[in-house]
Amino acid sequence: DAKTTQPPSMDCAEGRAANLPCNHSTISGNEYVYWYRQIHSQGPQYIIHGLKNNETNEMASLIITEDRKSSTLILPHATLRDTAVYYCIADAGNNRKLIWGLGTSLAVNP
Amino acid sequence: DAGVIQSPRHEVTEMGQEVTLRCKPISGHDYLFWYRQTMMRGLELLIYFNNNVPIDDSGMPEDRFSAKMPNASFSTLKIQPSEPRDSAVYFCASSPRLAPNEQFFGPGTRLTVL
Repeated sequence: DAKTTQPPSMDCAEGRAANLPCNHSTISGNEYVYWYRQIHSQGPQYIIHGLKNNETNEMASLIITEDRKSSTLILPHATLRDTAVYYCIADAGNNRKLIWGLGTSLAVNP
Repeated sequence: DAGVIQSPRHEVTEMGQEVTLRCKPISGHDYLFWYRQTMMRGLELLIYFNNNVPIDDSGMPEDRFSAKMPNASFSTLKIQPSEPRDSAVYFCASSPRLAPNEQFFGPGTRLTVL
């Protein structure tokens, strides 16, 4: 599985867009990019995933570069409740051994 | 559905004692996963089951750890004897398929071994 790298921490003002980057330069052609988040004292929660096209759902948007070596998770209007650790994972979708890394700790400030 | 249920939520024990963590997966989910999370190592998969059968336990740190799933609605993770380095948050997750986007996590058990 491809290793991903993320900045350890980021800040964002409430109401502004939060853009969380992730590098996955060794990603394989059959590996998806998955994003999870973990709010303090809770288990991780799935957000979104994609292969090569940009994706959007009710929680977030995922932008994947054309070469697929990096991606950005976008929270369009961050709220205080979006304060959490965000994990970017590259996986073929059938590998139970997801490599989680340490994620990005996002602080949304009022 | 109430989601994945774990008990206890917090456990404090002394070194050498036996610890048993419990998990009730979401009904109808065929896969169950046990994870451990620490500040230093992040989230690590310990073992996972499919239809109550252990499939991969290569993440179990050592023989002091054991996991069972006697039926589709219950699983345990046991540590005997416990050591201070076992202090961590232990998560149970379940999914209907082996798909990362369909894993649902429980609230976790925070274990402190003194």
